[in-house]
Parts: sequence; structure tokens; C-alpha cells
Amino acid sequence: GESVGLHLPTLSVQEGDNSIINCAYSNSASDYFIWYKQESGKGPQFIIDIRSNMDKRQGQRVTVLLNKTVKHLSLQIAATQPGDSAVYFCAEMGGGGADGLTFGKGTHLIIQP
Amino acid sequence: KAGVTQTPRYLIKTRGQQVTLSCSPISGHRSVSWYQQTPGQGLQFLFEYFSETQRNKGNFPGRFSGRQFSNSRSEMNVSTLELGDSALYLCASSLSATGHTEAFFGQGTRLTVV
Repeated sequence: GESVGLHLPTLSVQEGDNSIINCAYSNSASDYFIWYKQESGKGPQFIIDIRSNMDKRQGQRVTVLLNKTVKHLSLQIAATQPGDSAVYFCAEMGGGGADGLTFGKGTHLIIQP
Repeated sequence: KAGVTQTPRYLIKTRGQQVTLSCSPISGHRSVSWYQQTPGQGLQFLFEYFSETQRNKGNFPGRFSGRQFSNSRSEMNVSTLELGDSALYLCASSLSATGHTEAFFGQGTRLTVV
């Protein structure tokens, strides 16, 4: 079936650098996307969302880009900090939420000092 | 404003037993969804409740069930536990009737079946 997937299981970046986490989705009916951050022993924490009628949305230190043509989603984190170390998941929803959120496998972001 | 609260945080059960997990959503949120998280399968949608009605259901066997109360609190039940049911069970709440708004997760209940 269709699913959301991530390109890299682990991403290592230097503290202070920008991080880019990518996500490919295959369900063309998806119209809502969310990025979550999950730290060890905790539940997923909402970071930012974007609807399919937008191609970019910015938050505090984060930007989400949506390219519907190639079904690609990315999360950019500016000036990465040690506290950004976590697993990042993209999730998509379509069809009025009948299948809930479909999550990717996750990318583990590691911050090097 | 309190977040999503799940109880208990940890559970150990024996195969064949049943278990009930509880979720209290953020105040004012009427939609509650449940997810199972395992290392092998990742996060998978179980079901969603809105105004005491199950609106959507994922691809899980009938041993997994749930309900929602008039105060929006939700419980999920797993009967005849199997070793493969060991997982982190997450509850998420949101305002929206369509699910297209921010969904906030609780800390989860870690279930271990032995």
C-alpha cells in the first residue's frame, strides 16, 4: 500500500549548522502533513504542519517545504542545537483522516559538538 | 494547559491476559486517536474517536478495541494479549472533526507482554 518514507535513517550535523531532513510520500491524495520530533522515552512532539495548498511554512527555527510535483517534504532546522537531537517523523493525512496519520520510519538526527 | 495524559506509563502483562489503557485529551479536544509504535513497524494508526463514536479504524485485529466517554477521555482495550502486542501505545488529541489540525501526543503507555 501507499506509505510515507524517509530517505536517511540517521543524519549527523555539527552544532550550529542547518539540518535538512527529507521525506518522500506516495499518496497523492494526502493533503495535510506534519513533522514530529520524538525524544527517547517520550511521545512525538508536534513541530510544524503544512497543508497541500501551500509549498512553504515557517516556524521558529524550522521551515517545512512541500513539493507536490515530486511528492517530497522536507524539514529545515536552522542553527541546530544539542536539544534538537531526536528522531524526526513526517506524517501525512488524506481522505478526511479515514486512515489517521501515516508516519514515515523516522530519521535520527545526531548533533556533533 | 495540561497536555495529553496517558495512564499507566508502564505495564507488564502475560500472554492471554487483557489490558486497558487510558487517555485524557487536552481540555476542549474532542478527537482522540490511538497509535501503536514498535521498532519494526513504526507508528501505526489504531483508531480514532470523536464525540464518543469511532470514526476511523486502522488495520488491526478485533482484539484491539476502544471507546470514548462523554468527557472525551478514551480507553483502549487489548484482549488475549500476544507477545507481538508489546509496544508503545500512543494517544493523540486534536480539536478538529476532520483531523486536519495539530494532533498532540501523550507520553505513551509502554506495554510489555511476557
